Amino acid sequence: EVQLVESGGGLVKPGASLKLSCVASGFTFSDYWMSWVRQTPGKTMEWIGDIKYDGSYTNYAPSLKNRFTISRDNAKSTLYLQMSNVRSEDTATYYCTREGYYFDYWGQGVMVTVSS
Amino acid sequence: QIMLTQQAESLWISPGERVSITCRASQSLLYTDGKHYLSWYQQRPGQTTKALIYHASVRTDGVPTRFIGSGSGTEFTLSIEHVQPEDFAIYYCLQTLKSPYTFGAGTKLELK
Repeated sequence: EVQLVESGGGLVKPGASLKLSCVASGFTFSDYWMSWVRQTPGKTMEWIGDIKYDGSYTNYAPSLKNRFTISRDNAKSTLYLQMSNVRSEDTATYYCTREGYYFDYWGQGVMVTVSS
Repeated sequence: QIMLTQQAESLWISPGERVSITCRASQSLLYTDGKHYLSWYQQRPGQTTKALIYHASVRTDGVPTRFIGSGSGTEFTLSIEHVQPEDFAIYYCLQTLKSPYTFGAGTKLELK
């Protein structure tokens, strides 16, 4: 059974950094591109970016490119999202997804709240 | 970037009825392989987001046949025939033709 489990969220102050993790199981992690998606409290979904199966290429939403970094450790079947200089508008639930022609599996999500 | 418009924020229906959710793209989602890179997702409270339809009309494994995806070019529809109680959820369309990938705003199916 494919499982994606995110962690690392919580309450952070504006300007701080935060690193989210997503542990994958039930499939060969190193065979798949992976994406991060976030959902605002108002339920708007936004694609953050993705990473190639071997970690050699990343692609980001232009508005987030300068502050967010996606990486992976295939030996640990883990996907990461490094968030820097966070802002109140980064308050959202963050999901990791397995990517093919579409996003076929999603994690439960982890909440990030940015507030002073 | 490609914009996706789901005009209905909410749809109120009764169990057993048929409902259609539309998604309009700002440009064609047809790729050179002949496939449309438009997919549909269901989000229910307390459950992981579930992929229902990909390539506009292909049901993912285990999705009931009452879920029907249709459309081409820039206009797409997710229809649910004989809506069941478990179908009351939020539905999103997503385009994966061009980066940045983009979602529709979502349509919430509500009990009338």
